[in-house]
Amino acid sequence: GAGVSQSPRYKVAKRGQDVALRCDPISGHVSLFWYQQALGQGPEFLTYFQNEAQLDKSGLPSDRFFAERPEGSVSTLKIQRTQQEDSAVYLCASSPAPLAGAPRGEQFFGPGTRLTVL
Amino acid sequence: QKEVEQNSGPLSVPEGAIASLNCTYSDRGSQSFFWYRQYSGKSPELIMFIYSNGDKEDGRFTAQLNKASQYVSLLIRDSQPSDSATYLCAVTDSGGGADGLTFGKGTHLIIQP
Repeated sequence: GAGVSQSPRYKVAKRGQDVALRCDPISGHVSLFWYQQALGQGPEFLTYFQNEAQLDKSGLPSDRFFAERPEGSVSTLKIQRTQQEDSAVYLCASSPAPLAGAPRGEQFFGPGTRLTVL
Repeated sequence: QKEVEQNSGPLSVPEGAIASLNCTYSDRGSQSFFWYRQYSGKSPELIMFIYSNGDKEDGRFTAQLNKASQYVSLLIRDSQPSDSATYLCAVTDSGGGADGLTFGKGTHLIIQP
């Protein structure tokens, strides 16, 4: 079946612009995660949704970052007034957990959106 | 602050040998442990997960967990050039639900033909 998809794959923004990054999780997956991966680093957790509820947003670096998943499927990560330090790959992952029988914590990653802020 | 530490490498291993990748974590409450493989420019791909102390084998891969020492390792037997990638160790304190993963920086593995 189809995996996690993200769009756009590449985004160039001028400093101060707002951007919106989209994630389509695997159909039926309850949980959705956003991560930020800087060059040469491991992914860093940003936020987590269970269906439409945002259960954890502790990793969002500032109030310029906002995520939503209004119908419990597609999610959008929005970054307002982008800064150069926001340049990174933004990864979305989905998981069937916490449904009974689903492997604990197993997450499936999308291809990512590479954001470059000039 | 949860931390996951990995040697960034590069770790160079001859083809056919055993590659040994190590990871330590700071949070004693961590319950689930994962190894992801990431090729350059690609997204992470799950290759192993382990929840209990001891060894878990899957094909050429063996994950080892020692919760007392807060140590996780991944062994790759009969290393192939296609195993050349960055290997990310990740942990979560989720005991049964879903939770954000805390990743290490990754170890860059090079398999020399």
